[in-house]
Amino acid sequence: RKEVEQDPGPFNVPEGATVAFNCTYSNSASQSFFWYRQDCRKEPKLLMSVYSSGNEDGRFTAQLNRASQYISLLIRDSKLSDSATYLCVVNLWSSASKIIFGSGTRLSIRP
Amino acid sequence: GAVVSQHPSWVICKSGTSVKIECRSLDFQATTMFWYRQFPKQSLMLMATSNEGSKATYEQGVEKDKFLINHASLTLSTLTVTSAHPEDSSFYICSADQGGYEQYFGPGTRLTVT
Repeated sequence: RKEVEQDPGPFNVPEGATVAFNCTYSNSASQSFFWYRQDCRKEPKLLMSVYSSGNEDGRFTAQLNRASQYISLLIRDSKLSDSATYLCVVNLWSSASKIIFGSGTRLSIRP
Repeated sequence: GAVVSQHPSWVICKSGTSVKIECRSLDFQATTMFWYRQFPKQSLMLMATSNEGSKATYEQGVEKDKFLINHASLTLSTLTVTSAHPEDSSFYICSADQGGYEQYFGPGTRLTVT
């Protein structure tokens, strides 16, 4: 079983739609969680951190369920510029940082 | 703040030669630097973790004699791909942290071995 699993997509949705991504992680010792965005041939960029209490940044909402070891990202009112690959990232922080990336979910927004 | 640079951004080399990639943290001291590799349409795979002044820790399946990592200072780590072969062609990305949870990524180096 992969340490971090995501639906690879692609998700192809119309502009203005709401889209949700899910991610599960296998190591219950995981300490911190993030969603990164990666555009084609570019480096990943931090989209947002994920907290148990849930956090929202504009059209983006992230949620963490530690009991189910599940992370989600919701994008509302999607824009063409949201087209990218979204990476679920887990940090197995113990004595040092160890980042595990999910394989990413590709999102394509159509006009 | 928290900018990481990589050099070169892309490189083409002949099979059998060695290539060095630099990763620098420009405005902070990086406690730890990480090297990743990404093949087309695949996720980033961690290759190794390096701490300044100590030997890198390589992930399973990554040949330490082929991918030499030197972390000479708190702002510079280098990855040397020795005796490169076409199957080493990939997108190599470094990241750095300041001892916290967030990773700051370099822009990546696209290596093509002919």
